[in-house]
Amino acid sequence: RKEVEQDPGPFNVPEGATVAFNCTYSNSASQSFFWYRQDCRKEPKLLMSVYSSGNEDGRFTAQLNRASQYISLLIRDSKLSDSATYLCVVNGDTDKLIFGTGTRLQVFP
Amino acid sequence: GAVVSQHPSRVICKSGTSVKIECRSLDFQATTMFWYRQFPKQSLMLMATSNEGSKATYEQGVEKDKFLINHASLTLSTLTVTSAHPEDSSFYICSARKTSGGYYEQYFGPGTRLTVT
Repeated sequence: RKEVEQDPGPFNVPEGATVAFNCTYSNSASQSFFWYRQDCRKEPKLLMSVYSSGNEDGRFTAQLNRASQYISLLIRDSKLSDSATYLCVVNGDTDKLIFGTGTRLQVFP
Repeated sequence: GAVVSQHPSRVICKSGTSVKIECRSLDFQATTMFWYRQFPKQSLMLMATSNEGSKATYEQGVEKDKFLINHASLTLSTLTVTSAHPEDSSFYICSARKTSGGYYEQYFGPGTRLTVT
């Protein structure tokens, strides 16, 4: 089983749609969780940290379910500029970050 | 957020030569930096953890004599790819950890695209 698993997609959605990504992780001792976005041939950029109580930043909402060991990212009112690969990231045993392979989102007009 | 710079952004070198890549945290101090490599359509793979003032910790399968890491200050880490070969061609990305109040976030440099001919 991979340490961090994501549906690779692609998710093709129209502008204005709401889209949700899920991610599962295998290490129950993980304490830090993040969502990054990565555009083609660019570096990952931190989108948001994920806190136990869940957190929201504008159109983006992240949730953490420790019991089920999954993390979600909800994007409301999708924009064309949201098209990217979204990486689920979890800290591992030695505090190193473990990256999922990413979920590709394509927003169309 | 935080800013991490990386230089050069792109380099082409001949097989057998060495290439040095610099990573700087511009607006914060980073005792820990990381070096990753990413091949097309694959996820980031951690190569090594760079700790200021001490030796880097390499991941399994990464040759420490080939990929030399130096973290001489709290804002600068360098990766030198020695005796480069075409299979070393990849996207190398550094990352710096910013800690605050017991929490941390990790910020990435813009990456260096290395092509070995």
